[in-house]
Amino acid sequence: SYVLTQPPSVSVAPGQTARITCRGNNIGSRSVHWYQQKAGQAPVVVVYDDRDRPSGIPERFSGSNSGNTATLSISRVEAGDEADYYCQEWDNSGDHVFGGGTKLTVL
Amino acid sequence: QVQLVQSGAEVRKPGASVKVSCKASGYTFSDHAMHWVRQAPGQGLEWMGWIITRNGDIKYSTKFQGRVTITRDTSASTVYMELRTLRSEDTAVYYCARYSSDWYLDFWGQGTLVTVSS
Repeated sequence: SYVLTQPPSVSVAPGQTARITCRGNNIGSRSVHWYQQKAGQAPVVVVYDDRDRPSGIPERFSGSNSGNTATLSISRVEAGDEADYYCQEWDNSGDHVFGGGTKLTVL
Repeated sequence: QVQLVQSGAEVRKPGASVKVSCKASGYTFSDHAMHWVRQAPGQGLEWMGWIITRNGDIKYSTKFQGRVTITRDTSASTVYMELRTLRSEDTAVYYCARYSSDWYLDFWGQGTLVTVSS
């Protein structure tokens, strides 16, 4: 089945931009969604269809997807952004696949 | 407002089965498919399967095929996930999540902890 690979951890200072990657074979041809999960809570989507934001999600969250890499960018990072982030897509077999997750630490 | 309310925590012995429910409210039940996702302690999200609530069509993850059954009761606006032949590695929080019209998981249940232990 399709595999999505994320870095286990990303660290960034407050006010800087965090970039979290999600690598998969030709992932640029698929739609990728990104979920944020804070400790003890259910996930929340922050970007869908590569780059769209649901209502209520700050413009600081943005996404891109090309070639073999999808990227979630969080600008002007705040302490409240500290969470686990997961990419997800729907592969050709009908399976929905999650990446392994990335722990974002705000220094 | 959309709500997905799941059944409470369960403890099972290895080899047993568990059935978790997810009751939906605040929207037309048959307008949205429902997914099941699990998360083992300290681990990532793992997709298990989904059901099209309008017609009952189901797709399971190949990993769980043969061991999981997802059903729905449209009169009760409830989806169920049954996992059989439990083993310790099945200890996890199990979530139901609604499929939005834009093909992402927009609302999640609160999660149900299933503990498998002898």
